[in-house]
Amino acid sequence: GAGVSQSPSNKVTEKGKDVELRCDPISGHTALYWYRQSLGQGLEFLIYFQGNSAPDKSGLPSDRFSAERTGGSVSTLTIQRTQQEDSAVYLCASSLSWGPYEQYFGPGTRLTVT
Amino acid sequence: DQQVKQNSPSLSVQEGRISILNCDYTNSMFDYFLWYKKYPAEGPTFLISISSIKDKNEDGRFTVFLNKSAKHLSLHIVPSQPGDSAVYFCAASPPGGQNFVFGPGTRLSVLP
Repeated sequence: GAGVSQSPSNKVTEKGKDVELRCDPISGHTALYWYRQSLGQGLEFLIYFQGNSAPDKSGLPSDRFSAERTGGSVSTLTIQRTQQEDSAVYLCASSLSWGPYEQYFGPGTRLTVT
Repeated sequence: DQQVKQNSPSLSVQEGRISILNCDYTNSMFDYFLWYKKYPAEGPTFLISISSIKDKNEDGRFTVFLNKSAKHLSLHIVPSQPGDSAVYFCAASPPGGQNFVFGPGTRLSVLP
């Protein structure tokens, strides 16, 4: 595709359930980033991938959060046992490579935990 | 402990006038800076960037100024247009650029 795509666009889940968010980066982009934006807050870095490896997991808020990337392309962000404070817009971005390259963002997934 | 600060949560400007959005950072190791614009229900879109070896970068109506000694950068939009109304995020990256740190954003409203 021409841009970064994310699915689902909206997800409403009950507290305690697991959710999986998907990101399809721009073809050929080797770096992939996950952020989240809570209501009224700025963008919070979660994790990035260079290829299939994630050198920096320090931004993940807790061990309920995990992410993987396969084939150097699609990435999934999994949140286990969701809590209400997990409600946010989860944004994925990709760039040509790691380094100071512009990041291209997807439209985000709005997660609401009830 | 915010490493990138945008102290004005909102800014209103008349159409045709200049918009100046400010950003301050605390980490002197940051050497690459970007501005993103975000419309509601959309992901941020890249606007303009600047490397620490420069103090100014211009692209059409958008100019970014970097003052390294003050750890301050600003985005100037001239002339401002109603379509510029959005949230503007400043982002900074250390050498290597593995991680971008974003500011909280400034909501710009350009009034017709």
